Amino acid sequence: ILNVEQSPQSLHVQEGDSTNFTCSFPSSNFYALHWYRWETAKSPEALFVMTLNGDEKKKGRISATLNTKEGYSYLYIKGSQPEDSATYLCAFPGRNSGNTPLVFGKGTRLSVIA
Amino acid sequence: DADVTQTPRNRITKTGKRIMLECSQTKGHDRMYWYRQDPGLGLRLIYYSFDVKDINKGEISDGYSVSRQAQAKFSLSLESAIPNQTALYFCATSSAGGNYGYTFGSGTRLTVV
Repeated sequence: ILNVEQSPQSLHVQEGDSTNFTCSFPSSNFYALHWYRWETAKSPEALFVMTLNGDEKKKGRISATLNTKEGYSYLYIKGSQPEDSATYLCAFPGRNSGNTPLVFGKGTRLSVIA
Repeated sequence: DADVTQTPRNRITKTGKRIMLECSQTKGHDRMYWYRQDPGLGLRLIYYSFDVKDINKGEISDGYSVSRQAQAKFSLSLESAIPNQTALYFCATSSAGGNYGYTFGSGTRLTVV
C-alpha cells in the first residue's frame, strides 16, 4: 500500500490570512487525488477529486492544484474565516488504480482565530 | 435523511462482547467501506466491498468481520471486543472508479472498557 504525506500537521492562522498546505504522494502511475474537509464532530466531506497534471479546482475561497510528475498537491484557502477551521485530508487510491480504496493522509488541522 | 446512516452513534461495550456496527445508504453506490480513525493515525481501512458478493480485507482487518447484506447495507462486527478497538468508525460509499468522492456516514464512537 502506497503512502500519502501531509504537511504541516497543524496550522493556526488569523482571520483574513491566506494559507496553504501540502499533500505528497507517489508520482508513478498516478490515478487520482482527493481532498476532504473534516469539521470537528462531523464526517469528512469531499472537496475535490483531481485527475490531470496541472489541474486546478476551486470552491469558493478554497482551491487546489496538482502536480502529478513531482507527486504533490497544494490546497489554498484565501482570506481564512473561523468556519474554515477543520482538518483537511488528502487521499489517493492505494495502488494507483480505480479499483482500490483510498489511502488517507493524517491531515492538516487548521485553526482560524477570529 | 442522511445519505449514509450509521448506527449506533455511540456505544460503550465490555471487553469480550460481540458488537455490530451498521451502515445503510441511499446513494445507490455499489462500493462501501469501513474505516477506523484513531488520534494521530488518520483514517485506516478495515474492510471494503465493491458489490454484494465482494468482500475484501483492508489494512487492519484482524479482529473484525463484515457482512454485505444488500447493496445498501454493510455491517461491521467485532466478534470479541478489546480495548484497543476503541475508536471512531466511519462507513463510506462511492461510485465505481477512483475519481469519485466518497460519502461518509456520521461515524460511530465505540469505547471498549
